[in-house]
Amino acid sequence: KQEVTQIPAALSVPEGENLVLNCSFTDSAIYNLQWFRQDPGKGLTSLLLIQSSQREQTSGRLNASLDKSSGRSTLYIAASQPGDSATYLCAVSSRTGNQFYFGTGTSLTVIP
Amino acid sequence: NAGVTQTPKFQVLKTGQSMTLQCAQDMNHEYMSWYRQDPGMGLRLIHYSVGAGITDQGEVPNGYNVSRSTTEDFPLRLLSAAPSQTSVYFCASSEGELNTQYFGPGTRLTVL
Repeated sequence: KQEVTQIPAALSVPEGENLVLNCSFTDSAIYNLQWFRQDPGKGLTSLLLIQSSQREQTSGRLNASLDKSSGRSTLYIAASQPGDSATYLCAVSSRTGNQFYFGTGTSLTVIP
Repeated sequence: NAGVTQTPKFQVLKTGQSMTLQCAQDMNHEYMSWYRQDPGMGLRLIHYSVGAGITDQGEVPNGYNVSRSTTEDFPLRLLSAAPSQTSVYFCASSEGELNTQYFGPGTRLTVL
């Protein structure tokens, strides 16, 4: 069974700092990996989707990378802002692509 | 587009009661799924559907039933509620299994 780990569980940074969130998974036979943002009491919002054939994806100040062979992904957030404060989750697909496994998330606080 | 909608937002049940959590999407997505989110455990897949009339079990299906009679709707039924089913439930949809997932706002369920 796929196991997904996110480290650190919580992170606090001053505004303007660049930061990296980590996601690791145990089974490298995945179809894709997705990063989500979750605000307190809300649903999940998709940030970036990386197909297994891709190495990275970018959207604005966000850049996600994927190293399938080592079972790792990182989410890079540039010039962090207080509005970036949220929990960030990664999810990887199963071998067959029809199930997704989530990490427990990294809770990010950006201090003004 | 309303996206993915879920009702109710909150529900309190007594042990042994049954209920249906509603999920609807207006994006004509084929793939729909149900997750539960518990503290420290991340999101876990309960059931999923790859199209109308087709459903399958996820990681934690026991105690839950689903059906998919239309593309738009994917209700989740709790047959006999137990305190262990106290959780936040999320419905998600996507064009296909390998595409970006869109989540509803969630239903917070408490079973006494």
